[in-house]
Amino acid sequence: AQSVTQLDSQVPVFEEAPVELRCNYSSSVSVYLFWYVQYPNQGLQLLLKYLSGSTLVKGINGFEAEFNKSQTSFHLRKPSVHISDTAEYFCAVGRVRNFNKFYFGSGTKLNVKP
Amino acid sequence: EPEVTQTPSHQVTQMGQEVILRCVPISNHLYFYWYRQILGQKVEFLVSFYNNEISEKSEIFDDQFSVERPDGSNFTLKIRSTKLEDSAMYFCASSGGSTGSGEQYFGPGTRLTVT
Repeated sequence: AQSVTQLDSQVPVFEEAPVELRCNYSSSVSVYLFWYVQYPNQGLQLLLKYLSGSTLVKGINGFEAEFNKSQTSFHLRKPSVHISDTAEYFCAVGRVRNFNKFYFGSGTKLNVKP
Repeated sequence: EPEVTQTPSHQVTQMGQEVILRCVPISNHLYFYWYRQILGQKVEFLVSFYNNEISEKSEIFDDQFSVERPDGSNFTLKIRSTKLEDSAMYFCASSGGSTGSGEQYFGPGTRLTVT
């Protein structure tokens, strides 16, 4: 089975500061990795994904994430956050070539302050 | 850009009543899913559906739940006799077109409130 741990339930940060949201996963098989964002009262929007290839992936809204296989991590970063980045961020894993369930982390609420 | 749609956006029902949540997946996708998110908790997998049958389901997906693809475009989740603890946001997702990469596209969700 797979599992996902998001170490921080809440991250407060000032506008224009850098941010890192941490995600660690556990899996005995190869996985794809994803970050989704959920704005208040909205659905899940894909930020970025790692399927294969370069371990540094870039997504929408200036976010990027780095896949580290040895540390089983997929941390999300942004060099300079905006007020509009205030949302909840979910890390998810899915088994490679198996179109079944995603396992989600418990989410990290990013609160960007002016 | 194609997207997954869900109706209704909010459903209020009384305990014991049947509800049907509707989803229209992306048209060339072959795999369909339902997830739920109880308020303040993580998103949990309920069921996956492929080739007109359930491919995997979680322990949450008991006999009170069923899924159907009645007409080739809609994908529905039925809860036969709702309980208070079924109150949650329910997300539909689809993936896997002809060159599927495993990425799941989520709908905006249906908030189910059981009173």
